[in-house]
Amino acid sequence: GQNIDQPTEMTATEGAIVQINCTYQTSGFNGLFWYQQHAGEAPTFLSYNVLDGLEEKGRFSSFLSRSKGYSYLLLKELQMKDSASYLCAVRERGSNYQLIWGAGTKLIIKP
Amino acid sequence: NAGVTQTPKFRVLKTGQSMTLLCAQDMNHEYMYWYRQDPGMGLRLIHYSVGEGTTAKGEVPDGYNVSRLKKQNFLLGLESAAPSQTSVYFCASSDSGTGSDTQYFGPGTRLTVL
Repeated sequence: GQNIDQPTEMTATEGAIVQINCTYQTSGFNGLFWYQQHAGEAPTFLSYNVLDGLEEKGRFSSFLSRSKGYSYLLLKELQMKDSASYLCAVRERGSNYQLIWGAGTKLIIKP
Repeated sequence: NAGVTQTPKFRVLKTGQSMTLLCAQDMNHEYMYWYRQDPGMGLRLIHYSVGEGTTAKGEVPDGYNVSRLKKQNFLLGLESAAPSQTSVYFCASSDSGTGSDTQYFGPGTRLTVL
């Protein structure tokens, strides 16, 4: 089966660090994506993981553990513009390699 | 280079009316997708295409039809709109549909069916 879980909403303070978790159960894991979506806008690509470990890209990092079906997105030095929804998506062989999306985590940044 | 564009941006329909949503991409991508996004739910794939002249069903295809007559365009049709089809519709495109291939999204169409 396919199931992707993320927290619905998180709040963090400007300048701080926040970790957004994503757990998944899929039939034939083939990669995990994180996208950012500002309110009323289109999702935009942030990161991709297919092997275990940490991928770092500036203030954003993404971690994957395939054995645990777990990923997290780490945002450092939070800025007000980071207020957005963060979408976790998994590519799986069982769905003809199409992406299965989580419901997203709405991140609210407070001054 | 406009990326992925969608028309219209907003539309209000009455139950039973039909309409077509147009998606266009200028990145020469092979794959194109139509998703719907509803509050509290992830993006759900309606239909997709792996190349010109091909289409395939996604997770929620009922009530929708698609066509990909030209590589750069992907049309989504609603033959008889229902209130359950009120949603935000996103089109996306990608190069290969495998591996680290990234999907690029259009700005979305907000559809309300009364």
